[in-house]
Amino acid sequence: DADVTQTPRNRITKTGKRIMLECSQTKGHDRMYWYRQDPGLGLRLIYYSFDVKDINKGEISDGYSVSRQAQAKFSLSLESAIPNQTALYFCATSFGALGEQYFGPGTRLTVT
Amino acid sequence: KQEVTQIPAALSVPEGENLVLNCSFTDSAIYNLQWFRQDPGKGLTSLLLIQSSQREQTSGRLNASLDKSSGRSTLYIAASQPGDSATYLCAVGAGFQKLVFGTGTRLLVSP
Repeated sequence: DADVTQTPRNRITKTGKRIMLECSQTKGHDRMYWYRQDPGLGLRLIYYSFDVKDINKGEISDGYSVSRQAQAKFSLSLESAIPNQTALYFCATSFGALGEQYFGPGTRLTVT
Repeated sequence: KQEVTQIPAALSVPEGENLVLNCSFTDSAIYNLQWFRQDPGKGLTSLLLIQSSQREQTSGRLNASLDKSSGRSTLYIAASQPGDSATYLCAVGAGFQKLVFGTGTRLLVSP
């Protein structure tokens, strides 16, 4: 079984809809991250969390919110989806300050 | 602001060739550097992690080097195989475990 899982894997939604992407991990890591990937722009950090009580904005947090429900679960919400949020979204985890980051399989989100 | 550049953007080589992928970064105050592989439509697979105090790391046919003073890292792939075809991403640990990514090198190894 995969250590970092994301649901759904693919989602098509309409402008203005609220959508939640979920991430779960079985690695026992304390830190979790959400990134988005756009062609030609690489991966950019949306939010990160060092533990359940610690949430931080990343480079491109506008239009997004997150919830760390447990050490193993970190969800990303788009309150009112817009077409330029169409992208590939990745969740990642790591342990400690210098740990290697491990990525989930990604969620392909299309906003029409 | 940390910026990470990967050159070339695409590379095509015949099977068996040794090759080098390049990564450069603008701010030498990094925590670590991580190389990933991404296959089409799939997630990122971590290949190597180099801490800022290290000069290189090796895993099988892969060797990554780090020169903080010049802001460069290289990923050396020995005896390339068609299964090595993928996009290779370099990411710099820029603080509080935040990674700043390059846009990748797309590698094609032909039989």
